[in-house]
Amino acid sequence: KNEVEQSPQNLTAQEGEFITINCSYSVGISALHWLQQHPGGGIVSLFMLSSGKKKHGRLIATINIQEKHSSLHITASHPRDSAVYICAAIYGGSQGNLIFGKGTKLSVKP
Amino acid sequence: DSGVTQTPKHLITATGQRVTLRCSPRSGDLSVYWYQQSLDQGLQFLIQYYNGEERAKGNILERFSAQQFPDLHSELNLSSLELGDSALYFCASSPDSGTEAFFGQGTRLTVV
Repeated sequence: KNEVEQSPQNLTAQEGEFITINCSYSVGISALHWLQQHPGGGIVSLFMLSSGKKKHGRLIATINIQEKHSSLHITASHPRDSAVYICAAIYGGSQGNLIFGKGTKLSVKP
Repeated sequence: DSGVTQTPKHLITATGQRVTLRCSPRSGDLSVYWYQQSLDQGLQFLIQYYNGEERAKGNILERFSAQQFPDLHSELNLSSLELGDSALYFCASSPDSGTEAFFGQGTRLTVV
């Protein structure tokens, strides 16, 4: 069964801290998505990656295919980063085969 | 703004009723995906359409159906609604199946 596990489930940080959210998956995937869901419910796609590392502003996503593991890092965290971060594994090359993790709820305190 | 538009934003309806959720994909995107996010199940893939044809099916109930029209907008029809159908329904679109998808803001359905 294809599964996606995220940790931690909840994370509270102080403004400025370096944050890491982890995602592991059970079998081979074609790519992995990191999504951000704000309290209002809207979902924003942060990264889609199949190897290596991607960076956008203060966000960095890495993936290790051999270890079936991906991490999302946030540098110099800010209260506006407070959201639920969801990783989703893409199996079989199609976005339609997205298996979602349960999400990590991040709260950044000023 | 992702460029994907979903209407309505909120919908409250009674059990047993039928509703239609609408999604307009980003300009030029041929693939449309529907997802359901409920409190107990989290996010789940329901169905994908590509250029008017059904491409992939996930955990979609038989009471639910979808279609994609020639102008590429899509509708998700939910019938014989039950309390457990209350959820956020997201639509996403991408140029094709293998590329990054962009999400709409979702439709919050409440069945009472």
